[in-house]
Amino acid sequence: ETGVTQTPRHLVMGMTNKKSLKCEQHLGHNAMYWYKQSAKKPLELMFVYNFKEQTENNSVPSRFSPECPNSSHLFLHLHTLQPEDSALYLCASSQDEREIDTQYFGPGTRLTVL
Amino acid sequence: GEDVEQSLFLSVREGDSSVINCTYTDSSSTYLYWYKQEPGAGLQLLTYIFSNMDMKQDQRLTVLLNKKDKHLSLRIADTQTGDSAIYFCAEKSNFGNEKLTFGTGTRLTIIP
Repeated sequence: ETGVTQTPRHLVMGMTNKKSLKCEQHLGHNAMYWYKQSAKKPLELMFVYNFKEQTENNSVPSRFSPECPNSSHLFLHLHTLQPEDSALYLCASSQDEREIDTQYFGPGTRLTVL
Repeated sequence: GEDVEQSLFLSVREGDSSVINCTYTDSSSTYLYWYKQEPGAGLQLLTYIFSNMDMKQDQRLTVLLNKKDKHLSLRIADTQTGDSAIYFCAEKSNFGNEKLTFGTGTRLTIIP
């Protein structure tokens, strides 16, 4: 248990569905991250929020929409996804974005797009 | 952009040493890291090395860095079944952008 929780742990959705992934951290951190982990590809940073402000969008398609209402919660809203978006989506947090190397990861949401 | 490469798979007999290799392209890397991802879990920082060091030892773990060849390795002595995991190499550059560049991860399988 790292202090970072993600729900749901597994999600299957059709290409026309809209769903959301949720991440919550209980560590008092101010930076939160979304990563995409695909088989045989490097772990890919998607978004960074620092003190609720988005500081990094790593050329992510607009069908992925992040939301950070406060420093403890991070959402990833999904709509009109493609099968190639199937992956493990990891959330992480750190004290702030300068301490990215000491980030704590959640267990991930395994997403399957049919 | 920066690139970090690793082999995808490694199988090792229990009790032997495991050596996981990584190469990177960014010559301005300041820190290099090894993360461990156990089944069903997120990544956990295992160890790191500063770029002006060539070796770091921490109990069963030894990190070797060859900065000239941009090659990093992680040696796990006396490999145990609990070492089964995916191991990610990552680097942080010196350009003020506090982003980590990760590799694909190497899945370590322990053979009884």
